[in-house]
Amino acid sequence: GAVVSQHPSRVICKSGTSVKIECRSLDFQATTMFWYRQFPKQSLMLMATSNEGSKATYEQGVEKDKFLINHASLTLSTLTVTSAHPEDSSFYICGGGQGISYNEQFFGPGTRLTVL
Amino acid sequence: DAKTTQPTSMDCAEGRAANLPCNHSTISGNEYVYWYRQIHSQGPQYIIHGLKNNETNEMASLIITEDRKSSTLILPHATLRDTAVYYCIVRVGNDMRFGAGTRLTVKP
Repeated sequence: GAVVSQHPSRVICKSGTSVKIECRSLDFQATTMFWYRQFPKQSLMLMATSNEGSKATYEQGVEKDKFLINHASLTLSTLTVTSAHPEDSSFYICGGGQGISYNEQFFGPGTRLTVL
Repeated sequence: DAKTTQPTSMDCAEGRAANLPCNHSTISGNEYVYWYRQIHSQGPQYIIHGLKNNETNEMASLIITEDRKSSTLILPHATLRDTAVYYCIVRVGNDMRFGAGTRLTVKP
């Protein structure tokens, strides 16, 4: 399958700071990218969907001003957690699909964010 | 949205076939069934997907009932490395939404 990378894999930050997570599709062009959040012992929760060059579509209950998503190219999407607080500590996972009607969605290895 | 129902957990002996069921009784005619798995603290890994016909690849087989209301993922010879949470997803449009999944434990 295609490869999606995330950077950093792990980040610890102080409360009130902003953290940027990068998601890259290494061997395919991800027309659509997805961001998920996963709390311990829970399933993945879809946060937002973005198409290259367009604004992201956020799920209900996800604050767009807090979780800034940029999908500027077909191989790069970024998630910025602004003014992070301890309750934002979670495992953040991105996924990408190639083409508008993609068959498979490939996922990155995840980024573990800990906010102190 | 079509939702899926899976058992919370299952055990399987190493070397035996693991059969993971999934109910999706409200699935629509053009919605695909996808299976992913997630090994602890990693991103989900694609396994297989199908619409109507049974599918097989190097990882697994997917059996979909004729009425499409349920499916079974089959890992023909489970190994310890297959221990993971397995997610059955009915894809609606471009969204891939995860349910609770089945925690499969392969035992020696």
